[in-house]
Amino acid sequence: LAKTTQPISMDSYEGQEVNITCSHNNIATNDYITWYQQFPSQGPRFIIQGYKTKVTNEVASLFIPADRKSSTLSLPRVSLSDTAVYYCLVPLWGNTPLVFGKGTRLSVIA
Amino acid sequence: EAGVAQSPRYKIIEKRQSVAFWCNPISGHATLYWYQQILGQGPKLLIQFQNNGVVDDSQLPKDRFSAERLKGVDSTLKIQPAKLEDSAVYLCASSLGRREVNTEAFFGQGTRLTVV
Repeated sequence: LAKTTQPISMDSYEGQEVNITCSHNNIATNDYITWYQQFPSQGPRFIIQGYKTKVTNEVASLFIPADRKSSTLSLPRVSLSDTAVYYCLVPLWGNTPLVFGKGTRLSVIA
Repeated sequence: EAGVAQSPRYKIIEKRQSVAFWCNPISGHATLYWYQQILGQGPKLLIQFQNNGVVDDSQLPKDRFSAERLKGVDSTLKIQPAKLEDSAVYLCASSLGRREVNTEAFFGQGTRLTVV
């Protein structure tokens, strides 16, 4: 399993764009990059997954450079409700153990 | 679509007592996970089932923790005897578990265990 490294915490004001970068230097050819979000007192929730270039959904965008050794989760115009812990995972495929690291604690300030 | 159901939501026990948690995954999901999440840390995988077989239990403290998934559907996680350091939220999750791209796992709300 590829080891991931991401910042422990980030602060942002409401309305700003937030970018959280994750490094995964030993990512394998078949690995996909997946991000989960966890609010206090809730289980993690899948938000986005990608293999290369850019993926966008209603929640976030995921940017992956050509070498795939890092990825950036982009949250546009954050609000207070985006305060959560964001985890970057690099699973292989369906049956690979889903291993979480410490995540990035995002605090959005009014 | 119903989500992952867990019970109980909260449990307080004394050390050395036993406790059991129950999980009902999303219908049709072959993979089931149990995680332990200590306050301020990321979820730690305890065990992963594929149908009723164990895929990974390398981080399960087998001297006191046990888990089963009868008939490949519901699952129970048991701790016997409990220690103070077992105080945590126990999360159950499920996914389709196919060898495809989509590894999206759906989590239950968890059981908060306090050992006193």
